[in-house]
Amino acid sequence: NAGVTQTPKFQVLKTGQSMTLQCAQDMNHNSMYWYRQDPGMGLRLIYYSASEGTTDKGEVPNGYNVSRLNKREFSLRLESAAPSQTSVYFCASRRGGGQSNQPQHFGDGTRLSIL
Amino acid sequence: GIQVEQSPPDLILQEGANSTLRCNFSDSVNNLQWFHQNPWGQLINLFYIPSGTKQNGRLSATTVATERYSLLYISSSQTTDSGVYFCAGYNSGGSNYKLTFGKGTLLTVNP
Repeated sequence: NAGVTQTPKFQVLKTGQSMTLQCAQDMNHNSMYWYRQDPGMGLRLIYYSASEGTTDKGEVPNGYNVSRLNKREFSLRLESAAPSQTSVYFCASRRGGGQSNQPQHFGDGTRLSIL
Repeated sequence: GIQVEQSPPDLILQEGANSTLRCNFSDSVNNLQWFHQNPWGQLINLFYIPSGTKQNGRLSATTVATERYSLLYISSSQTTDSGVYFCAGYNSGGSNYKLTFGKGTLLTVNP
């Protein structure tokens, strides 16, 4: 039972390069989320998708785009990477579908360094 | 949005000791989770506990939703308990189910 799978696990980019972080879940969940975690802080929401075909901005969306490719997959794209985007990125999913009180399940994270 | 405050920010224990971690919310929540982030950075779901008390081995959690706080108890701590403990929550009435995280409690258990 894989749960939430993120690829890649580690990546180093140069300033200005672009990159897509991939996330897939096999739990048939409706809602998916992208968070970033900076040193000494909790996670902050970048974007989320309440259901297939919808996406919305979270707390820190600037510099990012997302695509809900299908029910399973939710990708995060950095069009022109900046050093301030060096962080650990977590993807999460939740069953959703009208039932509000459910936990979110997290992937293992992608560690991204931008030089 | 909801503000989440965790205490203490840091905690050092000797193996075998007990501890209590606290999480306060600025507003009511009806969805609350506790996580352990291990030294490899993985976020481990500990409890989903919007109210009441749950136990899992040496760990237990209690949420008093009416008073907007939650407690995580660790008994007979082990070195493998080291890491950062996060609580996170939301109120489904207005947040679109977006979790707000506290800054965490860094726990170090020494042998």
